[in-house]
Amino acid sequence: NAGVTQTPKFRVLKTGQSMTLLCAQDMNHEYMYWYRQDPGMGLRLIHYSVGEGTTAKGEVPDGYNVSRLKKQNFLLGLESAAPSQTSVYFCASSYLVFNEQFFGPGTRLTVL
Amino acid sequence: AQTVTQSQPEMSVQEAETVTLSCTYDTSENNYYLFWYKQPPSRQMILVIRQEAYKQQNATENRFSVNFQKAAKSFSLKISDSQLGDTAMYFCAFIGAGSYQLTFGKGTKLSVIP
Repeated sequence: NAGVTQTPKFRVLKTGQSMTLLCAQDMNHEYMYWYRQDPGMGLRLIHYSVGEGTTAKGEVPDGYNVSRLKKQNFLLGLESAAPSQTSVYFCASSYLVFNEQFFGPGTRLTVL
Repeated sequence: AQTVTQSQPEMSVQEAETVTLSCTYDTSENNYYLFWYKQPPSRQMILVIRQEAYKQQNATENRFSVNFQKAAKSFSLKISDSQLGDTAMYFCAFIGAGSYQLTFGKGTKLSVIP
């Protein structure tokens, strides 16, 4: 089992460009999450999904959109990237909301 | 809103010694779950230990144990027989029973010195 995978691992964007981060899990988990990690800030929840076809806002959703068309995939989109979105992005999944979250390896995004 | 505070930004410990990382949280809920996650230099987040608030017994996983003080809202992590591979950022996290959001502390950077 691959667990949770993220594509791409690194990306550099110019201000105003758009991109999509892909997260995939092979554990048949219902719950999936997108976090961002900034220096000295810990991890903050951007959006989450409680099942296929559902999404909800987390703590810091502004500037991001998500979709969960298939149970195993959770996509994070940036429509118009800003330098403030420079961060490391983590995807995670869990079987139940109170269970262990399994994390992907992260995507380092730089917006110039 | 719940908050999680890790008051030690950095700590160091000699190999084979014991170290305790502090975590306090603020909540009005009675039922919740607490976690410690480890993030080594590889950046991969790994669960260390999980505690259910309604269980009085402290969780233990091999060399890792917690001291859960519900009344004091404290959840410290003890690492015994520290090993070089324990060098990492450690994050304390909280989720309430009625929530979908896991709230993380800002982390403690632990260095194990040979």
